[in-house]
Amino acid sequence: QSALTQPASVSGSPGQSITISCTGTNRDIGGYNYVSWFQHHPGKAPKLIIYEVSNRPSGVSNRFSGSKSGNTASLTISGLQAEDEADYYCNSYTSGTTLEFGGGTKLTVL
Amino acid sequence: QLQLQESGPGLLKPSETLSLACTVSGGSISSNRYYWGWIRQPPGKGLEWIGSVPYSGSTYYSPSLKSRVTISVDTSNNQFSLKLSSVVVADTAVYYCARSLVGAMGDFDYWGQGTLVTVSS
Repeated sequence: QSALTQPASVSGSPGQSITISCTGTNRDIGGYNYVSWFQHHPGKAPKLIIYEVSNRPSGVSNRFSGSKSGNTASLTISGLQAEDEADYYCNSYTSGTTLEFGGGTKLTVL
Repeated sequence: QLQLQESGPGLLKPSETLSLACTVSGGSISSNRYYWGWIRQPPGKGLEWIGSVPYSGSTYYSPSLKSRVTISVDTSNNQFSLKLSSVVVADTAVYYCARSLVGAMGDFDYWGQGTLVTVSS
């Protein structure tokens, strides 16, 4: 069982916005601004889409945004596109000088 | 463009030691700016961080795997490696190597394509 809790699945129609939550504790998400989000298409390498809570790497669409409130981080994808259908994972630095991944969320574009 | 490529045996028996290498091309592994890490994904499950190591200095391991894991850097071959001892069926997974930044250990910005390791008797 992952220390970071994500919904197992979310769905949305093209053009809509969706939000994926990632809930931890004050020993990880709540204690540090080191939350990352990854997009993972099966059979491919995961791709970093958000780092340090809300920053986008160069080349990542501005349709992806991240935020944090207390012990919960969130990933919002606006203007959903078919190619956004993938698994999404959060991770966070922890007080034990380790990392934790969330259990992953499967995004379905209807 | 930085590239990472995993290599190693794809099939192991229980109790054996898993040994994988990650070859880094397009950049030097001998930089104090980066961590070199391993992440795995069991079939049908999510990502699991195994550990990360800087070019020089302390290593950081998942508490659940710490007793069985060693990650090391080989600068002469621009590689880093993973050893996981006493494997069990539950260690069956796709193993990824990846790079992250010192000071932001979870920001894995470059990944290998992954290699499937199966543990079966």
